[in-house]
Amino acid sequence: AQSVTQPDIHITVSEGASLELRCNYSYGATPYLFWYVQSPGQGLQLLLKYFSGDTLVQGIKGFEAEFKRSQSSFNLRKPSVHWSDAAEYFCAVGGANTGFQKLVFGTGTRLLVSP
Amino acid sequence: NAGVTQTPKFQVLKTGQSMTLQCAQDMNHEYMSWYRQDPGMGLRLIHYSVGAGITDQGEVPNGYNVSRSTTEDFPLRLLSAAPSQTSVYFCASSYKGNNGYTFGSGTRLTVV
Repeated sequence: AQSVTQPDIHITVSEGASLELRCNYSYGATPYLFWYVQSPGQGLQLLLKYFSGDTLVQGIKGFEAEFKRSQSSFNLRKPSVHWSDAAEYFCAVGGANTGFQKLVFGTGTRLLVSP
Repeated sequence: NAGVTQTPKFQVLKTGQSMTLQCAQDMNHEYMSWYRQDPGMGLRLIHYSVGAGITDQGEVPNGYNVSRSTTEDFPLRLLSAAPSQTSVYFCASSYKGNNGYTFGSGTRLTVV
């Protein structure tokens, strides 16, 4: 069965510092991977997605993620965090085996940004 | 272009009451899904639809019904609310395939 693990429940980063949020997945075939961000009281917004090709994908708001098949990982990075990046971040996996509409989400990582 | 619209935003129900959470999208998306979000559990799929007239169960379907009579609308029905259904509910839609979901802003439901 497909699954997603986000090992960090909370992360605190100083404004201007770099950020890496971890995501490990389990999927029986080529995965389609997503990162979403959720601000308090809001729905989820798609940051970026990986389907195939270049393993380093660029997203909105200056975020990027790297797909590493050998490590079953899809970590999210940003070189310099802004206070407005404070939110909860969710990694999700889906694909042809289980259906693109049946995304499985991780439990999320809450990012706190300190001044 | 409104995207995915969910109503109501907040609702309090008594145990045993029924209600329908509304979801509408104006992007002509084929796929629509309902997720519930609970603290520490991420989002879990309740029901989904790949087109008008076609629905299927997700990970946590018990206690919920859906129908998809039009491309635009995908209501979620709670027939007899239980406190375990206290949650935040999100509706999402996407084009057929792998484009990623567009989410609504959610409905916060409390069952007392």
